[in-house]
Amino acid sequence: DIQMTQSPSTLSASVGDRVTITCRASQSINTWLAWSQQKPGKAPNVLIYKASTLESGVPSRFSGSGSGTEFTLTISSLQPDDFATYHCQQYNSYPYTFGQGTKLEIK
Amino acid sequence: QLQLQESGPGLVKPSETLSLTCTVSGGSISNRSYYWGWIRQPPEKGLEWIGSIHYTGSTYYNPSLKSRVTISGDTSKNQFSLKLTSVTAADTAVYYCARGNYGGNPHYFDYWGQGTLVTVSS
Repeated sequence: DIQMTQSPSTLSASVGDRVTITCRASQSINTWLAWSQQKPGKAPNVLIYKASTLESGVPSRFSGSGSGTEFTLTISSLQPDDFATYHCQQYNSYPYTFGQGTKLEIK
Repeated sequence: QLQLQESGPGLVKPSETLSLTCTVSGGSISNRSYYWGWIRQPPEKGLEWIGSIHYTGSTYYNPSLKSRVTISGDTSKNQFSLKLTSVTAADTAVYYCARGNYGGNPHYFDYWGQGTLVTVSS
């Protein structure tokens, strides 16, 4: 199985900050990576797919980059609605696997 | 607007079979551009992909669960289902159904149901 490791596990930031979350794969996954946002008690909501393609309706302050084994999710200017848990997921090969999640908290 | 809704018992006894159904509205599970999948999330833990099905009947399962999992589809009802046998407390989780956006490439999950908590307990 491909292991996905996110860092940090928890991130404290303030409204207006630029933040970056990293996701590393244990082997190359090309660009078959998705990022999703999850709020407590809710289902994940996809933000980015194919590493850098913004899902329709997602604000442009979200961006993704990377290929191979290292990927990043960047939020250019944090908004109050952005405090949530973020997951990366590889869909390069079965079994699909997720990172452990990064909780973005208000500082 | 596509919607997915999970349904099934919220409490299952150990060693029994967990059965859930996902009803899809606003779209057809027969659309060749999509897979339909199940993902679960134990309390306070990360997400785990269980498996996916295509309308052609092709199924892909997580090897960690493969011996206990069956995913099937019913195009007449526009539903797909999950069966997980011989459950234990470790199977307690929120179970999500989701649409896998395929279009000829590997599929990522772009629409999710709200999730349903299944507790395994006697």
